[in-house]
Order: sequence, then structure tokens, then C-alpha cells
Amino acid sequence: QKEVEQNSGPLSVPEGAIASLNCTYSDRGSQSFFWYRQYSGKSPELIMSIYSNGDKEDGRFTAQLNKASQYVSLLIRDSQPSDSATYLCAVNRGPGGYQKVTFGTGTKLQVIP
Amino acid sequence: SAVISQKPSRDICQRGTSLTIQCQVDSQVTMMFWYRQQPGQSLTLIATANQGSEATYESGFVIDKFPISRPNLTFSTLTVSNMSPEDSSIYLCSVRKGADTGELFFGEGSRLTVL
Repeated sequence: QKEVEQNSGPLSVPEGAIASLNCTYSDRGSQSFFWYRQYSGKSPELIMSIYSNGDKEDGRFTAQLNKASQYVSLLIRDSQPSDSATYLCAVNRGPGGYQKVTFGTGTKLQVIP
Repeated sequence: SAVISQKPSRDICQRGTSLTIQCQVDSQVTMMFWYRQQPGQSLTLIATANQGSEATYESGFVIDKFPISRPNLTFSTLTVSNMSPEDSSIYLCSVRKGADTGELFFGEGSRLTVL
């Protein structure tokens, strides 16, 4: 079982729709969770962090965390063509003195104009 | 925010040679991280570079293959030694964005192709 699993996609949504990206993780001791966006040929950039169960909203983005189900999701409302990118789920785990970030393989999102 | 500069941005290398990638940060940081992103794959942590001590390598990565230097709080190098085509990858330098290790800034990456 992979430590962080994502559907590779591509996920295609029409412009203006809601894009839903999902991620599961295997280590119940994971402490914090992140979504990174990576445009083709570019390096990843952090777009959302979430630390406790529930929803966290930032503009058009909402991150959702369910630790009991070991599930993290990212919703993008009013999707725009500029949102077309690969979205990487990342999980931070490990003892306090040594924490390690593990990335999923990413979901490619295509927003169709 | 941190500005991270990596050099070279890309290179084509011959099998058996070595290449050193440089990473310069515009502010002092305790820890610098080196990642590899192979074609179509996600990011894999190679090692953590701490100033004043030896780098900490992840499982599957060894110092002889990926020696790292960290001479000061703003600079680090990663060398890919005795390269083979399997080393063709993007190598990324990163630093913490905040208190949480998971919040990272990344450099633009160094794309290496080994023939």
C-alpha cells in the first residue's frame, strides 16, 4: 500500500464547475496535510494546509480532512482554465525531532473552457 | 517568503560522469531538503541538509551516490555521482515555508538528462 494515494487522472471538468480531488494516506500517525499545485514544467507550490478534521476554506479552494477515514480532499469551486495543473497531496508524519513529508503521485486536472 | 535559486536549470550529461547542483536561498535557513522527481512520478525526498552536520539520507539514497554539502545557512549543493540513465530526473531544492516541515518552498528545479 502506498503511503499517499491519489488517482492520477486526468480529471476533466468544464469551466465554472467544481473540481474534487481526493487523497488517502496509510499512516494514522500523520499530523498535517497539504495540497500543492504543479504546473507543467514548474516546481510545486503550496496552496492549502490542513491540520484538524473538517473543512478549511481559502478563496475558491476548500480542503477537507477526515482522520478516521484517513482521507483528504481538495475542492476547487468555479474552476478556471488556469487551474489546469497537477495537484499533489502531501502528508507530514514522524516524531517531533524528525518529520518527513511524503507526496502522492498527483492528480492531473484539466479545466475545459 | 523565500527565493530559491538553483543552477543549472537543465543539463545533458554522459553516463559515468558527475554533476553538482547548487541551491542558493535568499535568507538563512536551518534545514534544506533535496527532492527528486522522476518523469511522471511524484517527489521523493533524497536527503535533508543541515548546516554544520552531515546530511540525513532517506532509505534508498546513499552519500556516495548523492554527496551533499551545506557550507552555510543559505547555500547547499547536491552531486549526482557516476550517473546512469536512471538518474534522469528533476532535482529540487526546498526549504520550510513555516514552522511545519510540510510547508515548503521549492526552487525551480534542475532537469538532468543522462545519455
